[in-house]
Amino acid sequence: DTAVSQTPKYLVTQMGNDKSIKCEQNLGHDTMYWYKQDSKKFLKIMFSYNNKELIINETVPNRFSPKSPDKAHLNLHINSLELGDSAVYFCASSQGLAHGEQYFGPGTRLTVT
Amino acid sequence: KQEVTQIPAALSVPEGENLVLNCSFTDSAIYNLQWFRQDPGKGLTSLLLIQSSQREQTSGRLNASLDKSSGRSTLYIAASQPGDSATYLCAVRLNTNAGKSTFGDGTTLTVKP
Repeated sequence: DTAVSQTPKYLVTQMGNDKSIKCEQNLGHDTMYWYKQDSKKFLKIMFSYNNKELIINETVPNRFSPKSPDKAHLNLHINSLELGDSAVYFCASSQGLAHGEQYFGPGTRLTVT
Repeated sequence: KQEVTQIPAALSVPEGENLVLNCSFTDSAIYNLQWFRQDPGKGLTSLLLIQSSQREQTSGRLNASLDKSSGRSTLYIAASQPGDSATYLCAVRLNTNAGKSTFGDGTTLTVKP
């Protein structure tokens, strides 16, 4: 069974469109994250949620809106997509805000044309 | 602000060699440090997690050490194999700022048969 899953795996869309990426974890963790990995492979945190509550919100444009309907799901909605949004987006989860080991999903490669 | 540096950026070794990857961080107020590997086009796989109170962790041919006071961690890989070829990332979690993780840029390892 996949521990952290994301859909879709690939997403190609045009500038200005709105798109969503879904993430689910079946590990029973209470904390979930979104990370962005840019073309230079640098990985940076965007958001973290603990028990459905937003904990970390890095300097991310407000076109990005995470939503956590329950502890097992954390979705990412992006409005008015721009070329610079092209990247790989990773979802992750851990038990606890800081001590727990992080487990990553397979990533969603977003290409904005 | 936590900064994480990994040296070297790339490493190529013949099969069978023992090798060491380095990770240094500027803020020693950490909860833990986690080592990951990332294969091309894939997600991150957790290798080892060292809590701030620990000095090292071992898993198979991998051994990770942590020296909080000097802001350094090393990942030792014994008897390297071509299957070890990947990018290795370290991530440091602060004990402030809601346990935010900061990643290094990674070391890309190539093990030649």
